[in-house]
Amino acid sequence: EADIYQTPRYLVIGTGKKITLECSQTMGHDKMYWYQQDPGMELHLIHYSYGVNSTEKGDLSSESTVSRIRTEHFPLTLESARPSHTSQYLCASSEVVRSTDTQYFGPGTRLTVL
Amino acid sequence: KNQVEQSPQSLIILEGKNCTLQCNYTVSPFSNLRWYKQDTGRGPVSLTIMTFSENTKSNGRYTATLDADTKQSSLHITASQLSDSASYICVVIDRGSTLGRLYFGRGTQLTVWP
Repeated sequence: EADIYQTPRYLVIGTGKKITLECSQTMGHDKMYWYQQDPGMELHLIHYSYGVNSTEKGDLSSESTVSRIRTEHFPLTLESARPSHTSQYLCASSEVVRSTDTQYFGPGTRLTVL
Repeated sequence: KNQVEQSPQSLIILEGKNCTLQCNYTVSPFSNLRWYKQDTGRGPVSLTIMTFSENTKSNGRYTATLDADTKQSSLHITASQLSDSASYICVVIDRGSTLGRLYFGRGTQLTVWP
């Protein structure tokens, strides 16, 4: 069982609200990721981090922002939520050693913007 | 076009039966291929990781095969159980960079009926 946690698990919010999705891992992994997944579709990388104070945008353009102030914490923020942001958001982490290292995923946050 | 294609899109089998899921990819240069299991409402969990030189790898009732020449992989599930109902995702990692980029398939939705 991976020690990576996401809160909240489900969030229903109105348009225009600011939201922060939390992600924490206790494995000491340097690399962390945020993915967006729509039903029946593949995961799309929206943000990643190599370590503290390092953040990069992923392949899929996203209006969200991330921060990495502590190794174990990688929150994602949407300043003004819109219905188009409705999706499942998955956080993951891995050791920065070699590309065969396993990615460990959190349980996900299901976001619905009304 | 997605560089990782999975088939079938969905599959229903009876408990105790075997099944095989397919994954074709065009990702190059190839580093490794992974199969993940994703239960509904949860994050993906790694089942197997296969490098270029590995043809077969087993994890309990799950057996993955890889043909790097034809760029095909399969996941065989033996003696299926109700708990095998999930989405099975094929992920291919390239070796274009030290850390590798992940390419996700859309998954095969497996349903096991009693």
